[in-house]
Amino acid sequence: EIVLTQSPGTLSLSPGERATLSCRASQSVSSTFLAWYQLKPGQAPRLLIYGASSRATGIPDRFSGSGSGTDFTLTISRLEPEDFAVYYCQQFGSSFWTFGLGTKVEIK
Amino acid sequence: QVQLVQSGAEVKKPGASVKVSCKTSGYTFTTYSISWVRQAPGQGLEWMGRISAYNGNTNYAQKLQDRVTMTTDTSTSTAYMELRSLRSDDTAVYYCARILTGYYSLDYWGQGTLVTVSS
Repeated sequence: EIVLTQSPGTLSLSPGERATLSCRASQSVSSTFLAWYQLKPGQAPRLLIYGASSRATGIPDRFSGSGSGTDFTLTISRLEPEDFAVYYCQQFGSSFWTFGLGTKVEIK
Repeated sequence: QVQLVQSGAEVKKPGASVKVSCKTSGYTFTTYSISWVRQAPGQGLEWMGRISAYNGNTNYAQKLQDRVTMTTDTSTSTAYMELRSLRSDDTAVYYCARILTGYYSLDYWGQGTLVTVSS
């Protein structure tokens, strides 16, 4: 089973700042099968990025994804108040999905 | 528009079973698979399994495969997840989600169903 390690666990930033979130896989992952989600309390998760770098429908262009192999990054170029949330990466391989443990982006 | 609407909250005793429904609309049900994901209080997201709405094929997470069954009813475009022999650590919000074909991402999600297991 592929393990996804997200870092940092918590990111304390101010609105307008840039957020860089990391997702490292225990073995190589196909970029096609790497996604990022945003989760807010009391809401369902929202798909942000699929295929490592493609924005999902309706996602603002301040969100971007990059990476390949074992190292992937979600970048939020300028944090808006509504972006403070928990972010999860997810991969698919060998008919199984796994999620990372999440990175919380909190207001500094 | 694509919608996944789940059944309401449940309270169950340890050892009981729960069956959560996920009624879909806004797309052709049989052309996508459905995944189930849960989030225990204060924890992250945990993938439980997936079912093809086309042919009913399933894949389950290893830790749950002895207790979970996923099914679909194509006549009502509804997916179901049944979890048996409930324990207190099964207390969680359970989500269904549509699998984005070719990418295996989860593009549309239900609103979540809280299942509480307590004696």
